[in-house]
Amino acid sequence: DVKVTQSSRYLVKRTGEKVFLECVQDMDHENMFWYRQDPGLGLRLIYFSYDVKMKEKGDIPEGYSVSREKKERFSLILESASTNQTSMYLCASSLVQGDHYGYTFGSGTRLTVV
Amino acid sequence: AQSVTQPDIHITVSEGASLELRCNYSYGATPYLFWYVQSPGQGLQLLLKYFSGDTLVQGIKGFEAEFKRSQSSFNLRKPSVHWSDAAEYFCAVGGDDKIIFGKGTRLHILP
Repeated sequence: DVKVTQSSRYLVKRTGEKVFLECVQDMDHENMFWYRQDPGLGLRLIYFSYDVKMKEKGDIPEGYSVSREKKERFSLILESASTNQTSMYLCASSLVQGDHYGYTFGSGTRLTVV
Repeated sequence: AQSVTQPDIHITVSEGASLELRCNYSYGATPYLFWYVQSPGQGLQLLLKYFSGDTLVQGIKGFEAEFKRSQSSFNLRKPSVHWSDAAEYFCAVGGDDKIIFGKGTRLHILP
């Protein structure tokens, strides 16, 4: 089975800190995605990548950036964390664009910014 | 515009009762359709998917879903729920581009 691993389950950071959320997949998937999940709002797409060194903005990219230096790793960066970025962050991957097999998700990182 | 609607935010059923979770979508072409489940504090797990063929699809954990093109629906069903089915369920639609998720339905099970 494809595994998507998010390096931290829980993180607590201070306002203004630079925060890195790491995601690694082990099945050579082309596509990787970062979502945030908030009660009543569902999953909102932050950034995605269809290839190494490639990135595309999702629906809510403000305050975030990403890095994909290697195919298997997709990092989400909060340049200066703010309390409104307290959320559950989910990473996902899929084999190719238009992949009808769907996405494989990591277990999530619950980030609290204080 | 592409969209997914899950009209029920919360659903409560008794253990052993049948379940149907509703999903309607708007998509310009033939869609791929998915149902995911999320247990508390976990990521999303794929329950089942439809992309062609038989419109009644079987998934894991005893779930099934039926694609009805005329109604733009893809409702999830289970004949008899178990306490362990308490979770949040997400319907999703995709095609040649990225997948779009509904806002989810939280399922509560009464003992």
